Amino acid sequence: GAVVSQHPSRVICKSGTSVKIECRSLDFQATTMFWYRQFPKQSLMLMATSNEGSKATYEQGVEKDKFLINHASLTLSTLTVTSAHPEDSSFYICSAWGSSSYNSPLHFGNGTRLTVT
Amino acid sequence: SQQGEEDPQALSIQEGENATMNCSYKTSINNLQWYRQNSGRGLVHLILIRSNEREKHSGRLRVTLDTSKKSSSLLITASRAADTASYFCATDPLASGTYKYIFGTGTRLKVLA
Repeated sequence: GAVVSQHPSRVICKSGTSVKIECRSLDFQATTMFWYRQFPKQSLMLMATSNEGSKATYEQGVEKDKFLINHASLTLSTLTVTSAHPEDSSFYICSAWGSSSYNSPLHFGNGTRLTVT
Repeated sequence: SQQGEEDPQALSIQEGENATMNCSYKTSINNLQWYRQNSGRGLVHLILIRSNEREKHSGRLRVTLDTSKKSSSLLITASRAADTASYFCATDPLASGTYKYIFGTGTRLKVLA
């Protein structure tokens, strides 16, 4: 149980275009999802906390207008990278709690490798 | 900034040996979790230890937590080639009030067959 599906797994786009990444909880409801960015051989950097039915909470230094997050249902959160540039190329990962308790494991999607040319 | 730092950054051992990874963090926490990440994939939860616990076991994994030193260790016994992965600790800072987890810098483990 507690499966998180992330799509697409890889995407290549041209500079200036926008890319949408989906994160779905398949067998549970996720009121809160998290979006991370990971550079090669580095740790996960939390970008934002996505809350169902309300605005996302962004971490310091993360551009809200650049990384649009929508959490319109209890099973889906989306991250849209707007006007992508080569420096946005990275590995993006989402996660969600499998239960309503914060003392529970996070369940991760398999990540999206974004390459902006 | 990172809540947790791990050492070593990289570790290479022979199959059958034990692997120990350490995590240090900066502020008081609610709990600490360890995750594993295979190359290019998402993270998989290994074990959660609460701030009032000192040790926890799960199969070949043993986790300790020392809140006075703000540190934790993950021990993998009798390692296998399949254990090759990156391992991260994640902490939930008590003061944040938001229950968001901050990940450590990670240890890249390579187990040689």
